[in-house]
Amino acid sequence: KAGVTQTPRYLIKTRGQQVTLSCSPISGHRSVSWYQQTPGQGLQFLFEYFSETQRNKGNFPGRFSGRQFSNSRSEMNVSTLELGDSALYLCASSLAGAGGYTFGSGTRLTVV
Amino acid sequence: QKEVEQNSGPLSVPEGAIASLNCTYSDRGSQSFFWYRQYSGKSPELIMFIYSNGDKEDGRFTAQLNKASQYVSLLIRDSQPSDSATYLCAVNHGAAGNKLTFGGGTRVLVKP
Repeated sequence: KAGVTQTPRYLIKTRGQQVTLSCSPISGHRSVSWYQQTPGQGLQFLFEYFSETQRNKGNFPGRFSGRQFSNSRSEMNVSTLELGDSALYLCASSLAGAGGYTFGSGTRLTVV
Repeated sequence: QKEVEQNSGPLSVPEGAIASLNCTYSDRGSQSFFWYRQYSGKSPELIMFIYSNGDKEDGRFTAQLNKASQYVSLLIRDSQPSDSATYLCAVNHGAAGNKLTFGGGTRVLVKP
């Protein structure tokens, strides 16, 4: 079965712009989570969506937002990009949100 | 601040030996614990999860949990060069669903 699909794989944006990243979970998975990975901070939790509702939220500024659609696909948006937002953004999905999570390949965002 | 601590390594292990990885966490209310493996340039891959005190075995991997000591460990038996990767410990803090806090990871090098 298909894994977690993230698009695009790579993105270069200019400081001040906004960006939208997309995630298609494994078929049947209703929980979608987003993480940011950087060499300095490691993997950090952004938020989790379950049945179109944000169920958990990490400690990121309001410039980071997300949503989930009725087919469980999810998008995350970052507005007013800063250089420090350059990172690998990973999406993970699971059946009900309390077990193991499968990660997608990630979107590598570079802000210049 | 809920924290998860791991020794960054590298942990150098001869081929065929046992690799022992440790992880401590600060949130006493944590209920589920995960080990992920991440190869360089790839996304994390779930190895095991554990909820109850004691040992859980899956093939060459054994996870051990001691909630009283707030300690999780992973043993890799008969280590192979293909086990060379970074191993990430994650703890779920979410009252419902997913809110994983990851440790910084332990880099393991298995030498032939």
